[in-house]
Amino acid sequence: DSGVTQTPKHLITATGQRVTLRCSPRSGDLSVYWYQQSLDQGLQFLIQYYNGEERAKGNILERFSAQQFPDLHSELNLSSLELGDSALYFCASSEQGNTEAFFGQGTRLTVV
Amino acid sequence: AQKVTQAQTEISVVEKEDVTLDCVYETRDTTYYLFWYKQPPSGELVFLIRRNSFDEQNEISGRYSWNFQKSTSSFNFTITASQVVDSAVYFCALRARLSSGSARQLTFGSGTQLTVLP
Repeated sequence: DSGVTQTPKHLITATGQRVTLRCSPRSGDLSVYWYQQSLDQGLQFLIQYYNGEERAKGNILERFSAQQFPDLHSELNLSSLELGDSALYFCASSEQGNTEAFFGQGTRLTVV
Repeated sequence: AQKVTQAQTEISVVEKEDVTLDCVYETRDTTYYLFWYKQPPSGELVFLIRRNSFDEQNEISGRYSWNFQKSTSSFNFTITASQVVDSAVYFCALRARLSSGSARQLTFGSGTQLTVLP
């Protein structure tokens, strides 16, 4: 158990809908990262938060947004969903920017 | 920019064989960290090891060993006497540390699917 909790584990939704993925980092970790894993794109970095502030942005679509709350949990919001958004979404956390990141079990999103 | 290349897409071995997974990286930063993660069929990403750029000592942990060679920008992973439970996708990853003290995001290779046959 990595200590990073992601909910839900599975999500099936229709095109055009909006969903929210939730992540609770390991106790004490201030950095939270979101990654998307799809078959054709591999593991892609989406966005990083550090202690509530956005720290880095990767290949995140404008339809996607995220935030980190004062209690350090994070949410990834995906809107106007398309079939191509079907993927495994991972959250990871770390103590500092230069240490290993521990990953949650992922949320498998299926858009139908 | 950071880049990690895992040229081996799939490897299949018979149980008890040794297998080496290759990883080649690119970065212009002088301080960086290399990682290996394992993704079993259940889907989670399991951290295996971290190596920093100024420590080229090889590391052994049970049946796992890692060979870091800065001269060739490689960080290879060897599993000795492989077992069926080693079947998974293995990812190599890189994170460079900036002079400001912050770090770039973790960049992953495309992964190597290892299948260990009984």
